[in-house]
Amino acid sequence: DAGVIQSPRHEVTEMGQEVTLRCKPISGHNSLFWYRQTMMRGLELLIYFNNNVPIDDSGMPEDRFSAKMPNASFSTLKIQPSEPRDSAVYFCASSPRIGEAFFGQGTRLTVV
Amino acid sequence: KQEVTQIPAALSVPEGENLVLNCSFTDSAIYNLQWFRQDPGKGLTSLLLIQSSQREQTSGRLNASLDKSSGRSTLYIAASQPGDSATYLCAVRPRGNNRLAFGKGNQVVVIP
Repeated sequence: DAGVIQSPRHEVTEMGQEVTLRCKPISGHNSLFWYRQTMMRGLELLIYFNNNVPIDDSGMPEDRFSAKMPNASFSTLKIQPSEPRDSAVYFCASSPRIGEAFFGQGTRLTVV
Repeated sequence: KQEVTQIPAALSVPEGENLVLNCSFTDSAIYNLQWFRQDPGKGLTSLLLIQSSQREQTSGRLNASLDKSSGRSTLYIAASQPGDSATYLCAVRPRGNNRLAFGKGNQVVVIP
């Protein structure tokens, strides 16, 4: 298995634009997570899916952020409109039910 | 809310010394604890996973201990090497769900 695959690896966009981050979890894993990492706050959980259903989205900062998981092999995190304070590294991770978490390489987002 | 703290935030050691990294958590009702390594600009790599019923896990030069009642885990790296330079993150998984709570990491530099 290639592991958790995220795209793009880097994204630079202008304030106000829509940004879509993509994730392909490891096949067979029931849970998928989106995290954001910044120097100030470390790793923060944004949203967590189990069997494609959002279980906990309490970490989503505001309505500009949305996440979907239309099937077991794909998820997106969308920011619309983007703002400079959204600049961070966004990680996707997948996990078997109550098991070890495996992380993707991350998407480094810069909003200018 | 689970709070995870890692001390020290950063440390430098000469090559060959043993490394001791500390993690503390506020809620002892955990399912398991996981240590990760993160290299600059990279994703997270899982090092060790300790179930709540276990006291320690070992992999090569790495040993992680868990004292659930006192809310502590320690990662030992024996005979450190320059290649061990990285940030080490501790994460706990509560009982009943699969979300991880992360510390901010121990940034380690091993000096040749």
